[in-house]
Amino acid sequence: ETGVTQTPRHLVMGMTNKKSLKCEQHLGHNAMYWYKQSAKKPLELMFVYSLEERVENNSVPSRFSPECPNSSHLFLHLHTLQPEDSALYLCASSQDLDEQFFGPGTRLTVL
Amino acid sequence: AQKVTQAQTEISVVEKEDVTLDCVYETRDTTYYLFWYKQPPSGELVFLIRRNSFDEQNEISGRYSWNFQKSTSSFNFTITASQVVDSAVYFCALSEHNNAGNMLTFGGGTRLMVKP
Repeated sequence: ETGVTQTPRHLVMGMTNKKSLKCEQHLGHNAMYWYKQSAKKPLELMFVYSLEERVENNSVPSRFSPECPNSSHLFLHLHTLQPEDSALYLCASSQDLDEQFFGPGTRLTVL
Repeated sequence: AQKVTQAQTEISVVEKEDVTLDCVYETRDTTYYLFWYKQPPSGELVFLIRRNSFDEQNEISGRYSWNFQKSTSSFNFTITASQVVDSAVYFCALSEHNNAGNMLTFGGGTRLMVKP
C-alpha cells in the first residue's frame, strides 16, 4: 500500500455505539491530521499530531477521541455521536511544513 | 485569525474553455504557505501546489497556472483548455508557519463542472 489509507470507507452507527476510524500513512511523515468535511461547512481541522504528540485540538467535542500510537497510525475513537456529526472524515499526513497528503476519507452517518 | 475566501461556489464551463478560480486570504503572519487541492467525486483531496509567501513568481504546470499577488492577498488558479476530467471541487488553503505541523485553513471550495 502506498500513500494514506483509511478504514472503513463507510460507516453507519447509532448514537449509542462506539466505533473507531483508522488511518495509516506509508510515506514516512512525522505529522498526522484529522479533518471533518460536512455538507455546509468548509473543511475543519480537528486534531494534529506531530511526532506522536497531540499539538492541536481545535475545540472538538470530547465524544471524538484521537489516538496516535506511532508515526504511521492515527485513530479517531467515536462515542455517543450526534446526527450532526455525520460527515466525511479525512486523515492527512505531512513531513513538517510540507504539503499534506490526504486519505480517501470515511463517510460517517450517525442515525 | 486566518481566513480563506473562495467567492465562486460553483462554475460551469464547456470543454476547452479557460477558467479561473479565485482565492483571497487573510492572515497576520508574514510567513505562510498557500495551497490548492482538488477533490474529485471519489472524495480524496489531491495536492496541486504549495507556494510560500516570499515567492511571488507565477507558476505553470501543464494546463494549470497560478497567480500569486501578495498586494491583493490573492492566489488564483487558472485551468487552460479545460477537460471533463477537471470536474471536481477545488480548495484553496492557507497554513500558519508553525513548527508543529501545518495548520491548514481551507476556503469553502469551488465546484467546477466541465461539460463536453
